[in-house]
Amino acid sequence: DAGVTQSPTHLIKTRGQHVTLRCSPISGHKSVSWYQQVLGQGPQFIFQYYEKEERGRGNFPDRFSARQFPNYSSELNVNALLLGDSALYLCASSPTDFRDTFEKLFFGSGTQLSVL
Amino acid sequence: GNSVTQMEGPVTLSEEAFLTINCTYTATGYPSLFWYVQYPGEGLQLLLKATKADDKGSNKGFEATYRKETTSFHLEKGSVQVSDSAVYFCASGGGGGATNKLIFGTGTLLAVQP
Repeated sequence: DAGVTQSPTHLIKTRGQHVTLRCSPISGHKSVSWYQQVLGQGPQFIFQYYEKEERGRGNFPDRFSARQFPNYSSELNVNALLLGDSALYLCASSPTDFRDTFEKLFFGSGTQLSVL
Repeated sequence: GNSVTQMEGPVTLSEEAFLTINCTYTATGYPSLFWYVQYPGEGLQLLLKATKADDKGSNKGFEATYRKETTSFHLEKGSVQVSDSAVYFCASGGGGGATNKLIFGTGTLLAVQP
């Protein structure tokens, strides 16, 4: 079975540009979460979506937005890129959004974004 | 707010040495606690978990016990192997203020030498 897939795997952008990252969850999973992992730090929660609705938002500026599609795939959009947005962006999927499904949370390998 | 603090690395050990990576947490309510492992070029993988006080999570020879009195969840392994070399993250989830997200520590790089 396919795991969580993210595309692209690597991306280089310049300051001020816009970027879209994509995530396909494990088949049957209806919840997708996004995390930002800056080099040398732990992942930080950005968003969670369940059944196409936003269920949680981390402490990130409005330049960050996301959406979930009817097939449960998701996009993370970042506008007006800053150098500090350079990071590994991780997507995770789970069957539901309930707290007891943390053990069913699976991460993708991430998209490495470099902002020059 | 909720937070997780873990010991800084890198931790360098010889094969078959004993491993301890310290982790403490602050949280409202009673979070579940986790250890994740990240191998080079890969995503995070759940290593073990504990959902309530005094629970012991274990997997692949690794263990960690949820200590409410010391708010700790230290990771241990009796005999490490070269293949254990990776970055280890302690995380909390589902505490009183955060029902649908994980809060991670900064990660500890473990390097095991043959």
